[in-house]
Amino acid sequence: QSVLTQPPSVSGAPGQRVTISCTGTSSNIGAGFDVHWFQHLPGTAPKLLIYDNYNRPSGVPDRFSGSKSGTSASLAITGLQAEDEADYYCQSYDTSLRGWLFGGGTKLTV
Amino acid sequence: QVQLVQSGAEVKKPGASVKVSCQASGYTFSNYDLNWVRLAAGQGLEWMGWMNPDSGKTGYAQKFQGRVTITRDTSISTAYMELSGLRSDDTGVYYCASTHLSAVGAFDVWGQGTMVTVSS
Repeated sequence: QSVLTQPPSVSGAPGQRVTISCTGTSSNIGAGFDVHWFQHLPGTAPKLLIYDNYNRPSGVPDRFSGSKSGTSASLAITGLQAEDEADYYCQSYDTSLRGWLFGGGTKLTV
Repeated sequence: QVQLVQSGAEVKKPGASVKVSCQASGYTFSNYDLNWVRLAAGQGLEWMGWMNPDSGKTGYAQKFQGRVTITRDTSISTAYMELSGLRSDDTGVYYCASTHLSAVGAFDVWGQGTMVTVSS
């Protein structure tokens, strides 16, 4: 069982805004480690969406934004589009596990 | 362009081992850590381990300790991930990934994935 907890699914209509939460513990997000977010479409490699809590790699639309507070982080997607339908994962470092940890993933339905 | 190209799909029997390769191009292989991530059937992403291609130093996720080995051949800019004692729940897609941003753990370059099927 992942110690980065995400909702299994979220949904929204085209044009709307959705948020995906990622709740950690004092051994990962709460310890000050940065959070990264990935988008995964079936049959493709995961894509980095947000790094270091709120930064977007080149080419990622500003409809995607990230935030972090305490032991949690969030990914917000505004102006939902059909192509945003995918699985989304948060990731952080965990000192207890001594390695990288992914959240359980959230399936976004548009 | 920066690229990671993985070996093709594998079908293995329970108890066997599988070795997946990941060849880097478009950058200096030794300069960036290489990680392995799995997407098991019906599951989410799982980090398996990492390697520093320059020193060969490795680190493995506790879940896979004792079953996974990551190695490299710097002469051909290729990393390998070997998983032993295969079980049916090891069926899934295995990815190599690296970070080229100044952000630790932000895997921004990924291989295309290698499907591993474990079945008797």
